[in-house]
Amino acid sequence: DTEVTQTPKHLVMGMTNKKSLKCEQHMGHRAMYWYKQKAKKPPELMFVYSYEKLSINESVPSRFSPECPNSSLLNLHLHALQPEDSALYLCASSQAPTMNTGELFFGEGSRLTVL
Amino acid sequence: RKEVEQDPGPFNVPEGATVAFNCTYSNSASQSFFWYRQDCRKEPKLLMSVYSSGNEDGRFTAQLNRASQYISLLIRDSKLSDSATYLCVVAPPDSNYQLIWGAGTKLIIKP
Repeated sequence: DTEVTQTPKHLVMGMTNKKSLKCEQHMGHRAMYWYKQKAKKPPELMFVYSYEKLSINESVPSRFSPECPNSSLLNLHLHALQPEDSALYLCASSQAPTMNTGELFFGEGSRLTVL
Repeated sequence: RKEVEQDPGPFNVPEGATVAFNCTYSNSASQSFFWYRQDCRKEPKLLMSVYSSGNEDGRFTAQLNRASQYISLLIRDSKLSDSATYLCVVAPPDSNYQLIWGAGTKLIIKP
């Protein structure tokens, strides 16, 4: 069982809706990540928070807005999405910079469909 | 040339057989290498890190060839439960948090 919990597991939203994806970890990890994965493709990094500060934004459109309220929580706020944004959104955490150990702990993902 | 390249497969292999896949990377300064496993509609999970000296974990062996810039994964005595997509992952030398992911190799073990 994964120690990174994501909610909701499935989300269907219209292009005018505002919704949020939530992620929680209690492993004491200080780096948290949002990845996007399309079918038969590898995960694509969107955002990284390190010690609750936004460390990396991979030129993600502003209709995706991340938030890290504390060291255990990570949110992704969604607004005015497009159908091509439909994908599996994966939250991950790591104990240290990934270059050291490469181990990311992923949640099971939130499967998003934009109509 | 892609930064990390893998044969997408699928590799269809009978149960009990040995299977190997390679992954090539373009940045010769890369220092850290990993294999992740992803089951269908599940999240990726770290299978093993790849060290310069090679490493083995049960039926799985990973090797690094810096001269030719490739890493390999060998699975011996394959089980039905080994069916998954295997993702090759490389940590670039100039980033603490970014990983370069290969597109994955799909493995199907047949009874």
